[in-house]
Amino acid sequence: DTGVSQDPRHKITKRGQNVTFRCDPISEHNRLYWYRQTLGQGPEFLTYFQNEAQLEKSRLLSDRFSAERPKGSFSTLEIQRTEQGDSAMYLCASSAGQGFYEQYFGPGTRLTVT
Amino acid sequence: EDQVTQSPEALRLQEGESSSLNCSYTVSGLRGLFWYRQDPGKGPEFLFTLYSAGEEKEKERLKATLTKKESFLHITAPKPEDSATYLCAVQDNTGGFKTIFGAGTRLFVKA
Repeated sequence: DTGVSQDPRHKITKRGQNVTFRCDPISEHNRLYWYRQTLGQGPEFLTYFQNEAQLEKSRLLSDRFSAERPKGSFSTLEIQRTEQGDSAMYLCASSAGQGFYEQYFGPGTRLTVT
Repeated sequence: EDQVTQSPEALRLQEGESSSLNCSYTVSGLRGLFWYRQDPGKGPEFLFTLYSAGEEKEKERLKATLTKKESFLHITAPKPEDSATYLCAVQDNTGGFKTIFGAGTRLFVKA
C-alpha cells in the first residue's frame, strides 16, 4: 500500500489563472476528503466524497472551487480565477468503510498565487 | 456549529519533562475524536481515535484520554523527536462525516 498521493506537490500560479490538483487515495478507500491549511492553522474542511458522490461541501467554499471523483477512485480539485488568498496547502485524505474511520493524509499540494 | 479549541498554542519542554495538551470540543453529539501529529511541510499522521468518555489509548510516550467535553494528550518523558504540531479533530453524529480540526498545539522538546 503506497498511501495517499497528491500531485503536484508545489504549484506557483499567477492571480486569475485556473489550477487543478489531483489526489489518489489508498486503494479500496471509499471516502475521500479535501482540506485547506494555512500557516499556524489546522486543516479546514472543504468537501468529502463517498465513492463518486460528493456528500458535503463547506459553506465557506466559493463557487470558484469545484471537486470531482468521477469513478470513485482519484479526485481532482479545481480552483478557477485564483486569488492571493487561495495560497495555502491543499490536503487530501482517505478513509475506509461506511462508518467512522480514521483518515490518512497525503503530503499536500502547496499553492502560491502571485 | 461544531468547534474545536486546542491549548496551549505552543509548548516548550525540556527532554524528559512530562506535560499534557488539551482539546476542548463542542458538538451536537460526538461520533468520535481523532489525534494527529503533523511535522512541518507534511500531511498529518494519524495517532488515535477515541469514541466515548472514559476511553484511553496509548502509544509509546503518548496517551490520549476523553471526557464529555474535552480530550487530553499526555506526553510522558518527551524526546526531541516528539517535537511537532499535534492536532485534534472531531466528527459529530448528526448525519455526515465532516471532520472539524483544531488549530493545533506546537510542541518543542529541547535536549
